[in-house]
Amino acid sequence: DSGVTQTPKHLITATGQRVTLRCSPRSGDLSVYWYQQSLDQGLQFLIQYYNGEERAKGNILERFSAQQFPDLHSELNLSSLELGDSALYFCASALAGGLATDTQYFGPGTRLTVL
Amino acid sequence: AQSVTQLGSHVSVSEGALVLLRCNYSSSVPPYLFWYVQYPNQGLQLLLKYTTGATLVKGINGFEAEFKKSETSFHLTKPSAHMSDAAEYFCAVSTNTGFQKLVFGTGTRLLVSP
Repeated sequence: DSGVTQTPKHLITATGQRVTLRCSPRSGDLSVYWYQQSLDQGLQFLIQYYNGEERAKGNILERFSAQQFPDLHSELNLSSLELGDSALYFCASALAGGLATDTQYFGPGTRLTVL
Repeated sequence: AQSVTQLGSHVSVSEGALVLLRCNYSSSVPPYLFWYVQYPNQGLQLLLKYTTGATLVKGINGFEAEFKKSETSFHLTKPSAHMSDAAEYFCAVSTNTGFQKLVFGTGTRLLVSP
């Protein structure tokens, strides 16, 4: 158990809908990262937050957005969902500002299925 | 831009045999390198990482990896495979300055037969 929690574990929805994925980092960790894992794209970095502020962006679509709240939990919002958005979405947390030497601790993931 | 190539999407070994998972990286700056393991229906877990210092890095569960700059490689090895090692393994690279931004390889699934 990494100490990172993600809810829900599974999510099934229809095209065009909007969903919110939630992540609670390990106690004391200030950085939260979001990743998407799919069969065709592999494991891709989406976005990073540090202490409530966006720190880095990866291959995140404009239809996707995220935020980190004062209690440090984070939410990833996916809208206008398409079939191709079906994937496993991971959250990871790290102690400090995401320094190069940090260890990222991954949650168990949320499996999103878009029908 | 940085990238990682993992040779072999599947590797099969017998229990007790040597495990060798290959990773080559491309980076315009000195890299930090990582190996993660993903067990079925679980998130990723860090096995080991190379940042600075000794190029032979030891990790959890008996795994180790050696950073070879001349070969741009960071292969993962374990002398004797165990059934519990069956999982997917990901190599990742990050820059050695600023904030960590992991770029993952496509993964190698390790199959261990009795």
